[in-house]
Amino acid sequence: AQSVAQPEDQVNVAEGNPLTVKCTYSVSGNPYLFWYVQYPNRGLQFLLKYITGDNLVKGSYGFEAEFNKSQTSFHLKKPSALVSDSALYFCAVRDGGTGGFKTIFGAGTRLFVKA
Amino acid sequence: DADVTQTPRNRITKTGKRIMLECSQTKGHDRMYWYRQDPGLGLRLIYYSFDVKDINKGEISDGYSVSRQAQAKFSLSLESAIPNQTALYFCATSDSQTGMNTEAFFGQGTRLTVV
Repeated sequence: AQSVAQPEDQVNVAEGNPLTVKCTYSVSGNPYLFWYVQYPNRGLQFLLKYITGDNLVKGSYGFEAEFNKSQTSFHLKKPSALVSDSALYFCAVRDGGTGGFKTIFGAGTRLFVKA
Repeated sequence: DADVTQTPRNRITKTGKRIMLECSQTKGHDRMYWYRQDPGLGLRLIYYSFDVKDINKGEISDGYSVSRQAQAKFSLSLESAIPNQTALYFCATSDSQTGMNTEAFFGQGTRLTVV
C-alpha cells in the first residue's frame, strides 16, 4: 500500500536561511510526487511535482524538491526563506503501479520563518 | 471567482442532523474528490468520482454519502452528524485527460462543527 511520511510536525528557520521540509514515501510502482502549501483559511495550493526525468524539480515561489529514489525521499527546499513562506506544507504521493488514481497525503509540516 | 467553490464555508450543526456540503467547479475537470483534514492527520480521502456515473469510497467513507449531480457538482452528505465528524472538509478536482501526473485543485474548505 502506498504511504507518505513527513517526520517533522514543525520546522523553524530564520529569514534568509535555507529551509528543508522532509518527505519519505512508499509505493509499489513508480511514484508521482507532489508538494502543496496551505495558508491560513485557504485550500491547498500546488507547488511542484515529480513525475519522471530530472531529480531536481523547480516549482512556484522559488521552491524546489529533490527526488531520491534510493532513499525514497522527496524533500522540499528553498535557498533563502521568507517570512511569507510560513504555512502548512503537505507532501503527497500517487502510485503509478496501481493505476495512479488515488493520492495519499502526509500529515503536514508547519513551517515558521522568523524575521 | 474561484475555480472550485465550496458552500457553506462554515457550519455549526447539532448531533443527529443531516447536513450537505456542496462543491462546484468551473475547471471542466472530470474527477472530483472529498477530503477531510484533521490536525496531525493530514488529508484523508472520503469519496471520489471519476465522472457523473462513477462514485467510489475512499479511506473513511463510513457516515458519509455523496452525489455527483453533474460534471461540475459534487456534494457530500452527513446523514446523521456526530461530533467526531467535526473537521475541515475540502473538495478537489483533477483532469484525467492530462494523465496520472496531474495535480489537484482545491476549494477553500468548509469548516464543520458538530455539537
